[in-house]
Amino acid sequence: SQQGEEDPQALSIQEGENATMNCSYKTSINNLQWYRQNSGRGLVHLILIRSNEREKHSGRLRVTLDTSKKSSSLLITASRAADTASYFCATDAGMNTGFQKLVFGTGTRLLVSP
Amino acid sequence: AAGVIQSPRHLIKEKRETATLKCYPIPRHDTVYWYQQGPGQDPQFLISFYEKMQSDKGSIPDRFSAQQFSDYHSELNMSSLELGDSALYFCASGQRRGRPHYGDEQFFGPGTRLTVL
Repeated sequence: SQQGEEDPQALSIQEGENATMNCSYKTSINNLQWYRQNSGRGLVHLILIRSNEREKHSGRLRVTLDTSKKSSSLLITASRAADTASYFCATDAGMNTGFQKLVFGTGTRLLVSP
Repeated sequence: AAGVIQSPRHLIKEKRETATLKCYPIPRHDTVYWYQQGPGQDPQFLISFYEKMQSDKGSIPDRFSAQQFSDYHSELNMSSLELGDSALYFCASGQRRGRPHYGDEQFFGPGTRLTVL
């Protein structure tokens, strides 16, 4: 079964609007990462948030983490057409070994229209 | 900044053939991870290496094998290819040495798109 599940599966907005994507996971984690993937291409690392952090910012990105609810959200502010992509959360399944195989969520397909 | 390099970028094979995918991690990264992403699917972990030793294993078929070499590059060998092996294969690298046990970012290569006919 999926460690991470994302919501919504697809999101369509206009340029300038904010986009919020949510991710839920099942087991304890050390950190959670968000990635972007343009259609059929590579995964671009966006941000990592550790289990002892609650919020993190990077440019127009804001990530929150609620370990009590086992959930995270990614907010993209002032979206642009170039933000159109699939967004995945990935967790490390809480292994305290440093070898963090990532377990990916199902992804949110974001479409930003000009 | 240098990124993860994967080769080839595209590969077309017939059923029952073999394929070898190569991954060159970011310089000074000591850990390599392989993932498989089927059409419309999320990436699935296959196998990882740290300092040339296998560190973890996921849902990798017995027909696949991998290794990490002394220069830290890694190769994924796939034999008796099946139609269902058609996918994007990603390599990611990270740096574990000297890091606390919280893990670290994994940086992904552009992927190799394997098509099995």
